[in-house]
Amino acid sequence: NAGVTQTPKFRILKIGQSMTLQCTQDMNHNYMYWYRQDPGMGLKLIYYSVGAGITDKGEVPNGYNVSRSTTEDFPLRLELAAPSQTSVYFCASRQDILYGYTFGSGTRLTVV
Amino acid sequence: GIQVEQSPPDLILQEGANSTLRCNFSDSVNNLQWFHQNPWGQLINLFYIPSGTKQNGRLSATTVATERYSLLYISSSQTTDSGVYFCAGQYGNKLVFGAGTILRVKS
Repeated sequence: NAGVTQTPKFRILKIGQSMTLQCTQDMNHNYMYWYRQDPGMGLKLIYYSVGAGITDKGEVPNGYNVSRSTTEDFPLRLELAAPSQTSVYFCASRQDILYGYTFGSGTRLTVV
Repeated sequence: GIQVEQSPPDLILQEGANSTLRCNFSDSVNNLQWFHQNPWGQLINLFYIPSGTKQNGRLSATTVATERYSLLYISSSQTTDSGVYFCAGQYGNKLVFGAGTILRVKS
């Protein structure tokens, strides 16, 4: 049982490049989330999903896209990277609203 | 509005000391959780505590939902307890985080 797995752990992008941050969980959780954490700050919600085929925007969705074709996977897509997207990205999941969250180990992204 | 407020913002302890971290949350927020973010950035789930008291080793947490606050107790602190402690509460489908308490435990 690996929990929530994020790849890559680190990435440097040039302005305007695209990339996908991968997130997969093996706990059969329905709910999955993407957060970003800027230096010295708490986490802000980017997108979330309550089940396969269902996604919704969080607090800071601009510049990102997500998909949820399976229960296990919830990739986050950056289409045109900007320096403001330099951050640490966390994926999380939980079984339902009565349970706590499990977080992945994060992806540290730098846009230069 | 949606509020999750933590205090103190910073705390420096001598190894072996005890501490209490506080989290106040607004009416629209519930189902409190406490997390520890270690110096390597990993977020560790400490407690899921909508109400009542839970204990796990040297750590315990109490949430009084009717009074909209939660407390995290750290006893006999160790240097490995250093890092940032976040409380977070549920708002609809979203988890809203406080700004965190930075804890430094000195040997």
